[in-house]
Amino acid sequence: GNSVTQMEGPVTLSEEAFLTINCTYTATGYPSLFWYVQYPGEGLQLLLKATKADDKGSNKGFEATYRKETTSFHLEKGSVQVSDSAVYFCALLNYGGSQGNLIFGKGTKLSVKP
Amino acid sequence: EADIYQTPRYLVIGTGKKITLECSQTMGHDKMYWYQQDPGMELHLIHYSYGVNSTEKGDLSSESTVSRIRTEHFPLTLESARPSHTSQYLCASSEFATRRTGELFFGEGSRLTVL
Repeated sequence: GNSVTQMEGPVTLSEEAFLTINCTYTATGYPSLFWYVQYPGEGLQLLLKATKADDKGSNKGFEATYRKETTSFHLEKGSVQVSDSAVYFCALLNYGGSQGNLIFGKGTKLSVKP
Repeated sequence: EADIYQTPRYLVIGTGKKITLECSQTMGHDKMYWYQQDPGMELHLIHYSYGVNSTEKGDLSSESTVSRIRTEHFPLTLESARPSHTSQYLCASSEFATRRTGELFFGEGSRLTVL
């Protein structure tokens, strides 16, 4: 079946540190991959996406590359800010299954200290 | 900015009461969803709908029910609330073509506490 595994949090970093949040997936076929972000007190919002192997999604200084050979979609940012403190969810969409519903990972909470 | 609204944002209620969480969207999206988010932040899909008069159960069994009489409206009802129903409930919507975009638009959530 389809599943997403992301690193457990919480992750605590100092401002301007480098961020990596690992995400790996299991799926048949060629899923699309996503990162969603949930800021405190808010719903989720799409951060970035990649629809095929070797695609790189990017937004707000965050990047993730769709690696089919390692079934991974790790989220990175070169220099985090306090305002990046949030919960990050990796997700996949497999056209052939799950009734067209996203499969979410369990979320990774990031806290950035000044 | 997404146009999807949930009310109430916060609700504290006694055991046995009936509650309805409201969700409305003004984007004309066909597909709508309800997620339950536990304290560890994990999301569980409890209901979804492909359009008017369509309702489907999600991956997590829930005692709640939903209805979809109008495209823009997708309320969730608990006939008799219990402390185990205490959680954050998130509503979302997407174009039917979410298979192509994967983009869901979320409301800000309804935090329910049952005493």
